[in-house]
Amino acid sequence: EAQVTQNPRYLITVTGKKLTVTCSQNMNHEYMSWYRQDPGLGLRQIYYSMNVEVTDKGDVPEGYKVSRKEKRNFPLILESPSPNQTSLYFCASSAGFSYEQYFGPGTRLTVT
Amino acid sequence: RKEVEQDPGPFNVPEGATVAFNCTYSNSASQSFFWYRQDCRKEPKLLMSVYSSGNEDGRFTAQLNRASQYISLLIRDSKLSDSATYLCVVNTGGFKTIFGAGTRLFVKA
Repeated sequence: EAQVTQNPRYLITVTGKKLTVTCSQNMNHEYMSWYRQDPGLGLRQIYYSMNVEVTDKGDVPEGYKVSRKEKRNFPLILESPSPNQTSLYFCASSAGFSYEQYFGPGTRLTVT
Repeated sequence: RKEVEQDPGPFNVPEGATVAFNCTYSNSASQSFFWYRQDCRKEPKLLMSVYSSGNEDGRFTAQLNRASQYISLLIRDSKLSDSATYLCVVNTGGFKTIFGAGTRLFVKA
């Protein structure tokens, strides 16, 4: 089954404790992206990747890092989480930039 | 001004009604356009792509007006199952994806 998976689905952590949210897709997609969704603001793009080793900032990259060492994986790293990073996070992939994006089920992160 | 703007609604309509959503975008270099549907904080799913010539998928019709920089979605014969948030999505010339904040639709029996 074609899918995008994210782990963990739910995470409660404390300020400053480094964490990684994993994202994996099995569709051999080149384009992958991370978004955060906050009430009233919609989805905002954090980082995107056009292919392996090619990443770039979206609209809200501050406080986040990404890497794309393999085509299927695109982890999101929060080196020092803060409460304002409490949000619902989605990973997505697509065959190319102008194509439909397939989303993972989301990761609900709470930073206390 | 937001890059992609939508009326947040909510739109409350009876079953069988026709409802239209509009979305405007500010970047004239934008390349591709979509409508996604999102149910109750679940992952967004593609409803349809939007083309300049207009396109239809069953009860749903999407239009793109590049000159005026807006996108529309028309839903005919609304069903209870159409209740959701509809997201306007624009891919800009800089390889970024911009989502509108979404329009909430409630279809009542």
